[in-house]
Amino acid sequence: EDQVTQSPEALRLQEGESSSLNCSYTVSGLRGLFWYRQDPGKGPEFLFTLYSAGEEKEKERLKATLTKKESFLHITAPKPEDSATYLCAVQELGTGNQFYFGTGTSLTVIP
Amino acid sequence: EPEVTQTPSHQVTQMGQEVILRCVPISNHLYFYWYRQILGQKVEFLVSFYNNEISEKSEIFDDQFSVERPDGSNFTLKIRSTKLEDSAMYFCASSERSNYGYTFGSGTRLTVV
Repeated sequence: EDQVTQSPEALRLQEGESSSLNCSYTVSGLRGLFWYRQDPGKGPEFLFTLYSAGEEKEKERLKATLTKKESFLHITAPKPEDSATYLCAVQELGTGNQFYFGTGTSLTVIP
Repeated sequence: EPEVTQTPSHQVTQMGQEVILRCVPISNHLYFYWYRQILGQKVEFLVSFYNNEISEKSEIFDDQFSVERPDGSNFTLKIRSTKLEDSAMYFCASSERSNYGYTFGSGTRLTVV
């Protein structure tokens, strides 16, 4: 069973058109939830860590929120340079330090 | 900004050969990891390393694989007798604490022919 499911798989937005990406998780105890951005052929770039339900983090046009079952990455007024794959990963209590990654959401922002 | 450095960026090897992928983690980080990403698939955990020993490993990380921290700065992944299905991007990562977000390197693309 997948611990992390991301939706949608792909998203095309016009520049300035705000939207949200979803990450739902099924681990029994959440140690941390992590958002990364990945450009083609590159390593994941760390964006946010969320540890408990109700927590929110913001960085420029991105805002991450967390509930007991899912996390959202809200993108406000995106620009073409926000085009990338956004990955969600979770760390589970009692299973060590490894991250379980989702398959990602490929975001394309059209000028 | 500190970064994780991986070399080489691309390695082509013949099936059955051994390869060593190299990484220099961020200097004050204590936890080191290897992940891989087969083209079009998820990023998958291979192994974590702390205090000069493996702290956990996945089912993928079998006897074909080994890791080493030969000195105070390098962290290596050795793959013995490579197979076609080992072709993937291999990412090294490090973190200051076990529940902090990792910093990933830019990866080594391994192609087994």
